[in-house]
Amino acid sequence: GDSVTQMEGPVTLSEEAFLTINCTYTATGYPSLFWYVQYPGEGLQLLLKATKADDKGSNKGFEATYRKETTSFHLEKGSVQVSDSAVYFCALPTPPGGYNKLIFGAGTRLAVHP
Amino acid sequence: GAGVSQSPRYKVAKRGQDVALRCDPISGHVSLFWYQQALGQGPEFLTYFQNEAQLDKSGLPSDRFFAERPEGSVSTLKIQRTQQEDSAVYLCASSPGQGLKAEAFFGQGTRLTVV
Repeated sequence: GDSVTQMEGPVTLSEEAFLTINCTYTATGYPSLFWYVQYPGEGLQLLLKATKADDKGSNKGFEATYRKETTSFHLEKGSVQVSDSAVYFCALPTPPGGYNKLIFGAGTRLAVHP
Repeated sequence: GAGVSQSPRYKVAKRGQDVALRCDPISGHVSLFWYQQALGQGPEFLTYFQNEAQLDKSGLPSDRFFAERPEGSVSTLKIQRTQQEDSAVYLCASSPGQGLKAEAFFGQGTRLTVV
């Protein structure tokens, strides 16, 4: 069945460091791919998405490219800030054609210190 | 408020007790989803409503779990005879279109602790 695998955290970085959070997926067909973020005390928020192969989603300085050949959707940011500290989830919708539910990875906690 | 609202935010239940969790979606949103998030894990799908119709309940873990959305707006997730493994955060999300064709907006969740 469809699945999402994320790198385990926590990830601890200094401010202005480069961030990569790996995400790979298994899916039937070519679904859209999402990154959600959960800030402390808040609900999940959509961070960015890509709807087809080679698409690049971007928002708030974060980017992720839909790589069909490696079935990956890694999240990157060139210079993280303390305010980026949160839990990040990679997700894909299923089933193909229906898209009624999201399958989430286990989440990666990011802590950025000054 | 403009967002998805869930109540209560925290619930402590004794094992065997019944609980009801409420979700107020964004006004006018057609689709409503419930997810269960265990500690340190990603959310897992429970059920999906399109208006008042429950179109997918494949994620409900047992017949102790029941969800309804009788008027196509507010939804209630009920858990009967709670057990310790039911302890989790229950998330509700709503979307303006059918399924996930548009962005889903999540509430802050209800943290259920069964003791």
